[in-house]
Amino acid sequence: DSGVTQTPKHLITATGQRVTLRCSPRSGDLSVYWYQQSLDQGLQFLIQYYNGEERAKGNILERFSAQQFPDLHSELNLSSLELGDSALYFCASSDSGGEVDTQYFGPGTRLTVL
Amino acid sequence: ELKVEQNPLFLSMQEGKNYTIYCNYSTTSDRLYWYRQDPGKSLESLFVLLSNGAVKQEGRLMASLDTKARLSTLHITAAVHDLSATYFCAVATRDSNYQLIWGAGTKLIIKP
Repeated sequence: DSGVTQTPKHLITATGQRVTLRCSPRSGDLSVYWYQQSLDQGLQFLIQYYNGEERAKGNILERFSAQQFPDLHSELNLSSLELGDSALYFCASSDSGGEVDTQYFGPGTRLTVL
Repeated sequence: ELKVEQNPLFLSMQEGKNYTIYCNYSTTSDRLYWYRQDPGKSLESLFVLLSNGAVKQEGRLMASLDTKARLSTLHITAAVHDLSATYFCAVATRDSNYQLIWGAGTKLIIKP
């Protein structure tokens, strides 16, 4: 158990809908990262937050957005969902978001868009 | 563009054998990570390699880094079934703003 928690574990929804995925980092970690893992695209970095501020953006679609709250938990919002958004979404955390930090991954949220 | 290539992508081997997974990357790297993922599960950190010639070992797994060749290897000694998983390498560089760039993963199946 990495200490990173994610809810929900599974989510099934329809195209066009909006969902919110939640992540709580390890105690004391200030950085949160979001990743998407799909069979055809592999593991893709979406976005990083550090202590409430956006630090880096990866391959995140405009339909997706995220935020990190004062208590350091983070939410990833996915809107206008498409079939291709079906994937495993991971949150990871690290203590400072520095150059050497190891990222610790949560159990993931499996999103199925029908 | 920083690219990370792993090979092989799939490996089926017998228990007791030795094998090596390779991770090549396309530009100077400051650090390299190895992770393990069991089917349908999360990713677990195995090793962080920070300098040329770095070698780390945990049980039957040993990782090494050659920054001049831009190559890391993950060596499995006397494989056991419990090591069956997908192994990912990831690289962070100044060019990627220290965000991790991931290899495609090597799916390892170890047969009794």
